[in-house]
Amino acid sequence: GAVVSQHPSWVICKSGTSVKIECRSLDFQATTMFWYRQFPKQSLMLMATSNEGSKATYEQGVEKDKFLINHASLTLSTLTVTSAHPEDSSFYICSASWGGSQPQHFGDGTRLSIL
Amino acid sequence: GQSLEQPSEVTAVEGAIVQINCTYQTSGFYGLSWYQQHDGGAPTFLSYNALDGLEETGRFSSFLSRSDSYGYLLLQELQMKDSASYFCAVSGSSASKIIFGSGTRLSIRP
Repeated sequence: GAVVSQHPSWVICKSGTSVKIECRSLDFQATTMFWYRQFPKQSLMLMATSNEGSKATYEQGVEKDKFLINHASLTLSTLTVTSAHPEDSSFYICSASWGGSQPQHFGDGTRLSIL
Repeated sequence: GQSLEQPSEVTAVEGAIVQINCTYQTSGFYGLSWYQQHDGGAPTFLSYNALDGLEETGRFSSFLSRSDSYGYLLLQELQMKDSASYFCAVSGSSASKIIFGSGTRLSIRP
């Protein structure tokens, strides 16, 4: 089945640090990747849609200058949380899709804790 | 906009059958998906319905009625490992982009 690898699994860092999270589709070419954020006991909130070779489309309320997304190839998308603060602490999950109505396959998520 | 409603919690007995309902409101519609998420883990895909009717995959089945903007996930022969959160998700504005419901926490009792 489709495999999506997300790295790192967890990060603990000081306030003001920028953190980069990688999402790779290991056995298929993902034309579209998605980034979600999930707070404890809540649902997944879509942050942005990332298409290879073009700018990401951000959901309303998501700061594009704070959450930088790069999708340079069909197998890799990165999310950089710039100047992270404690309120950015959350579970960040990426997913990848062949496109169209194909199901999304999720990475294992990155637990980010900002001290 | 898009919105989905599903029960927040459901409790069932091991070996029983449980149905998790989902109603949605979207301006467009491509399909309804179901995902399972265990505590601390990432969501895993269970099923997808684009057309009306029942889709069966082993112990899990999913149903869709587009005219009623309604679907459900049916879990049979419940096992303790089925204790998890279940999310319905709708593809409304585009085929690939999905919006998740708030999730239903399923607890299985021996």
